[in-house]
Amino acid sequence: DTGVSQDPRHKITKRGQNVTFRCDPISEHNRLYWYRQTLGQGPEFLTYFQNEAQLEKSRLLSDRFSAERPKGSFSTLEIQRTEQGDSAMYLCASSLSQVSYEQYFGPGTRLTVT
Amino acid sequence: TQLLEQSPQFLSIQEGENLTVYCNSSSVFSSLQWYRQEPGEGPVLLVTVVTGGEVKKLKRLTFQFGDARKDSSLHITAAQPGDTGLYLCAGPYNTDKLIFGTGTRLQVFP
Repeated sequence: DTGVSQDPRHKITKRGQNVTFRCDPISEHNRLYWYRQTLGQGPEFLTYFQNEAQLEKSRLLSDRFSAERPKGSFSTLEIQRTEQGDSAMYLCASSLSQVSYEQYFGPGTRLTVT
Repeated sequence: TQLLEQSPQFLSIQEGENLTVYCNSSSVFSSLQWYRQEPGEGPVLLVTVVTGGEVKKLKRLTFQFGDARKDSSLHITAAQPGDTGLYLCAGPYNTDKLIFGTGTRLQVFP
């Protein structure tokens, strides 16, 4: 399977705990994006990388959120001190920079904060 | 303020019927993408339209980009239960992030 993969698919955590999600993009794609989607809404942009450089962060990304792409391949998204409002589907997408608008999404990580 | 408005929000139809979903904006987009998303899964890219007035067909799905590149439509002919899902339009905004529409949830009954 050469698509975007995300791990875990589901995560249930208690408020105040830290969680980390992983995304493996399509291998030849140099751009990687994180989005968040809540029930009944379209995905909302969080941040994106070109290779290992983080080029943009949304104001939705509070200081409890951090994302890395250390070697320009896989990426991690960490949420510290989770809150109930963080419950959402976290989606990762990748693209080639030349056609950056054609983004291919992974299956998502569903986070539930209790 | 939602940059991309989709209508209708919900659509419930019988197998074999035709339908059209609209995606409208007051802003010009360099391209628009259409995605379909099933429950618990990520969006799947269906098509990209780039040129004003462009029409693209994908089997029973026809996509059109408005002449002014501010709107797009998705027409499904003879809908089937397998077409059920959330249809999202999206476009690149400012930089390279995608802005998504409000979504149209389609249910096709056998």
